[in-house]
Amino acid sequence: DAGITQSPRHKVTETGTPVTLRCHQTENHRYMYWYRQDPGHGLRLIHYSYGVKDTDKGEVSDGYSVSRSKTEDFLLTLESATSSQTSVYFCAISGLGLAAYNEQFFGPGTRLTVL
Amino acid sequence: AQTVTQSQPEMSVQEAETVTLSCTYDTSESDYYLFWYKQPPSRQMILVIRQEAYKQQNATENRFSVNFQKAAKSFSLKISDSQLGDAAMYFCAYRSATQGGSEKLVFGKGTKLTVNP
Repeated sequence: DAGITQSPRHKVTETGTPVTLRCHQTENHRYMYWYRQDPGHGLRLIHYSYGVKDTDKGEVSDGYSVSRSKTEDFLLTLESATSSQTSVYFCAISGLGLAAYNEQFFGPGTRLTVL
Repeated sequence: AQTVTQSQPEMSVQEAETVTLSCTYDTSESDYYLFWYKQPPSRQMILVIRQEAYKQQNATENRFSVNFQKAAKSFSLKISDSQLGDAAMYFCAYRSATQGGSEKLVFGKGTKLTVNP
């Protein structure tokens, strides 16, 4: 395992409440990512980080914000959760080495249900 | 923007037989990487095989091999001697090889593979 954990693993919340998902790595990888997985859509990138305090948007970033104050932690926040954000959320990491290719490792996923 | 298309939402194969999963992609770049990921019911994403676009030789990993056709922008996965443990969702993914890029992946929608005993 690449030393990547996500918390919580499962969460049920109500529409309009704020939610924060945490991704923690112990491998000192430079890049961290948040994806969401929905039936019929595969995995889609929400936001990613290329260093501490350096983040950028992915293809489905509306309604989400992220923060990375330490190399090992990448937080995904839903400021006001909606039912359309019910999904499985994956964190991933890459970029440990200096090689042109760096494998991307995935966390175990967080299943979020917004009622 | 790059796109990845998996045209087969579901496939099935008999145990010990061979199956091929299709993937096409669209890009204007000449240097990139392609991947196949496996996602069993446990939800864990597992890298099965990868291909560098600059390599003409098709990648192989044990029973898994790819047919990479750069001009056709096609990247199919062949699973030989299928086993019950191969049953999973399979995702094709693209990554730019641009220097200084973010290494982010673009995924297809996936193919659900069923292996029949």
